[in-house]
Amino acid sequence: RKEVEQDPGPFNVPEGATVAFNCTYSNSASQSFFWYRQDCRKEPKLLMSVYSSGNEDGRFTAQLNRASQYISLLIRDSKLSDSATYLCVVNSAAGNKLTFGGGTRVLVKP
Amino acid sequence: GAVVSQHPSRVICKSGTSVKIECRSLDFQATTMFWYRQFPKQSLMLMATSNEGSKATYEQGVEKDKFLINHASLTLSTLTVTSAHPEDSSFYICSARDFRSYSYEQYFGPGTRLTVT
Repeated sequence: RKEVEQDPGPFNVPEGATVAFNCTYSNSASQSFFWYRQDCRKEPKLLMSVYSSGNEDGRFTAQLNRASQYISLLIRDSKLSDSATYLCVVNSAAGNKLTFGGGTRVLVKP
Repeated sequence: GAVVSQHPSRVICKSGTSVKIECRSLDFQATTMFWYRQFPKQSLMLMATSNEGSKATYEQGVEKDKFLINHASLTLSTLTVTSAHPEDSSFYICSARDFRSYSYEQYFGPGTRLTVT
């Protein structure tokens, strides 16, 4: 079983709609969680950290469920520019290392 | 802030040659840098953790003699792909942690696309 798993998608989303997707992680001792965004042939860029109480940044809302070991990302009022691959990233209990999920591809269409 | 540069952005080399990739943290100091490899349509795979002033820690299955890592200063780490072969063609990305930060988030360089012919 992969340490971090994501639905690869693609999620085809009409512009202005809401889309949400999850990521599961296997290591219950994981401490930090992030969503990164990666555009085609570019480096990943930090979208947001995920806090235990859940957090929101503009149109993006992230949730953490430690009991079920998943995190989620919700995008409201989708824009064409939101089209990207969203990477779920978990800090391993070993410390510095980050483990990346395979990514969820989102395509926002007019 | 938190800018990481990587050079070169793209390199094409012949099989058997060596290629050096530089990763620099421009506005912060990084005691730890990370090297990843990404094949098409796959996620990032950690190759090694580069520690300033000490030997790098390689992930299982990554040959340390093939992928030489040097982290000589708090702002520079280099990855040398020795005797490159076509199967080494990939997107190599470095990242760095700000040593002053309590967070585990990493800042990524723009990547180096290596093509070995």
